[in-house]
Amino acid sequence: NAGVMQNPRHLVRRRGQEARLRCSPMKGHSHVYWYRQLPEEGLKFMVYLQKENIIDESGMPKERFSAEFPKEGPSILRIQQVVRGDSAAYFCASSAGGGVKPQHFGDGTRLSIL
Amino acid sequence: AQSVAQPEDQVNVAEGNPLTVKCTYSVSGNPYLFWYVQYPNRGLQFLLKYITGDNLVKGSYGFEAEFNKSQTSFHLKKPSALVSDSALYFCALYYGNNRLAFGKGNQVVVIP
Repeated sequence: NAGVMQNPRHLVRRRGQEARLRCSPMKGHSHVYWYRQLPEEGLKFMVYLQKENIIDESGMPKERFSAEFPKEGPSILRIQQVVRGDSAAYFCASSAGGGVKPQHFGDGTRLSIL
Repeated sequence: AQSVAQPEDQVNVAEGNPLTVKCTYSVSGNPYLFWYVQYPNRGLQFLLKYITGDNLVKGSYGFEAEFNKSQTSFHLKKPSALVSDSALYFCALYYGNNRLAFGKGNQVVVIP
């Protein structure tokens, strides 16, 4: 019974390159969330998606960041033209429904920008 | 505005002693509160939640949390700490539209 799967676990990019982070939710889960964790800080909400729809992207930076959850395949968080400040751990979570159902987290992708 | 505060940076406790991790919240409307634990290089694991009903909520691995509306608190507790409980603990508040607001986390160190 696989949990939330994120890959890669570690990603190194040079400034100006693109970073693509992938997330496969738990089986049966159709709600996906992306969070960013900076050192010694809690998780910050970025975006909430359901299949083929962005429901809430109020936590996403206005530029360079985008997310999708296609009908087939994993959810993708895409960061274009990365900068040093994008270095962080990015976590994906999924839930079986909305509201107060617990969110189940993947092990994260640690993005390092050289 | 909604927020969660975890006032202590690190909690040190001897193995076998009671463990408490503090959390206070601020929200308009009913509070829906969660505790998660994070081990090194891993994602967050759900421990327990308070939605309504009994103020004492029991969760995984022997943890429980007490909801106190008058003090706007939701402290996490364990009667007898284990070395394996050493981890980062996050309190979270649901604030609508499927969003969670997390506290900054507390590092728990259980000393053998």
